[in-house]
Amino acid sequence: NAGVTQTPKFQVLKTGQSMTLQCAQDMNHEYMSWYRQDPGMGLRLIHYSVGAGITDQGEVPNGYNVSRSTTEDFPLRLLSAAPSQTSVYFCASRPTGGHEQYFGPGTRLTVT
Amino acid sequence: AQTVTQSQPEMSVQEAETVTLSCTYDTSESDYYLFWYKQPPSRQMILVIRQEAYKQQNATENRFSVNFQKAAKSFSLKISDSQLGDAAMYFCAYGRDMGRRALTFGSGTRLQVQP
Repeated sequence: NAGVTQTPKFQVLKTGQSMTLQCAQDMNHEYMSWYRQDPGMGLRLIHYSVGAGITDQGEVPNGYNVSRSTTEDFPLRLLSAAPSQTSVYFCASRPTGGHEQYFGPGTRLTVT
Repeated sequence: AQTVTQSQPEMSVQEAETVTLSCTYDTSESDYYLFWYKQPPSRQMILVIRQEAYKQQNATENRFSVNFQKAAKSFSLKISDSQLGDAAMYFCAYGRDMGRRALTFGSGTRLQVQP
């Protein structure tokens, strides 16, 4: 098992550009989520999904879009990047009935 | 809404000594889970230990143990026989038993281990 994988590891964007952060898991987990990590603030939930075709907003959803067409993949889209979206982004998954979340290695995004 | 507070931004411990990291949380629910995650410089989030709120017994994983005080809403992490590899950011996290089940994280404690 590769676990939870994220691509890219690093990305630099200009203000206004769009991009998609990729997240995939091969553990057949129903629940997936995206967090952002900012200095001094821990991780905050952006969006989550409880299964294919079902997504919902977390604490800080503005400026981000998600979809879940398969169990394995949960991409995060930045529609028009802003400097405030400079952060480290983590994808996580959790099995149905379980409580431990498995995290990907993170993507460091810089918006200039 | 649930909140998690880690009041120690930084801690330092001598190698082989014991250190305790503090965490308090606020919730109105009775069933939930608490976690400590370690984040080394590699950035990977690593689960250290978890505690189910319905269990009175404190969780233990090798050199790591917790002091779970449900009434006080306190969940501290004790690291015994500290090793250089324990140096990292440590995050306390709260997870609901029902509903959304996303984690709410504290702001973290940076642990330094002195040789």
